[in-house]
Amino acid sequence: GAVVSQHPSRVICKSGTSVKIECRSLDFQATTMFWYRQFPKQSLMLMATSNEGSKATYEQGVEKDKFLINHASLTLSTLTVTSAHPEDSSFYICSANPLERGSYEQYFGPGTRLTVT
Amino acid sequence: AQKITQTQPGMFVQEKEAVTLDCTYDTSDQSYGLFWYKQPSSGEMIFLIYQGSYDEQNATEGRYSLNFQKARKSANLVISASQLGDSAMYFCAMREGDYNTDKLIFGTGTRLQVFP
Repeated sequence: GAVVSQHPSRVICKSGTSVKIECRSLDFQATTMFWYRQFPKQSLMLMATSNEGSKATYEQGVEKDKFLINHASLTLSTLTVTSAHPEDSSFYICSANPLERGSYEQYFGPGTRLTVT
Repeated sequence: AQKITQTQPGMFVQEKEAVTLDCTYDTSDQSYGLFWYKQPSSGEMIFLIYQGSYDEQNATEGRYSLNFQKARKSANLVISASQLGDSAMYFCAMREGDYNTDKLIFGTGTRLQVFP
């Protein structure tokens, strides 16, 4: 199956700093990638839809100035958590679908665990 | 209103037995898709099974089958012959709209524990 990677897998940062998380589709191209956030023992909540070559679409209640998304190529989307605070500590997961449709499956990355101290 | 409802926060099943995880959904779209994902403690999301709204037959994938009851808007996951490795969180999710609308809405999940 298609592979999606995320980097880093874990990151600890100090409050007030910014953190960048990368999501890559390794063996396919994707015009659209999705960013989810998962708090401990909770479900995945969609944060935004990342669109290659255009602005991301954010879900209601997600601050676009705080969670900057860039989808510069068909294989890479980045999520930058700006001025991170302890409440931003969470598990961030991206997903993508191949540009060439042939599967309904959405391929998820392994996730990035962010801890803000 | 919840789009995806999983009413079982936790389930226990003995090894080799079958277990059903419940999922109900709410949509006014005629075209939609229903997914089940498994999330072990490592955090990765593992795709298990998919059911399209127009599929007339229930989906099956190995030990996983989806009991799709469209009129009742339910899409329960049945795991047959449970294994210890099946212990994990299980999420039901829905894709609304046409095939190219990939945004998924997830339920709150069910934690399945398989005991010997």
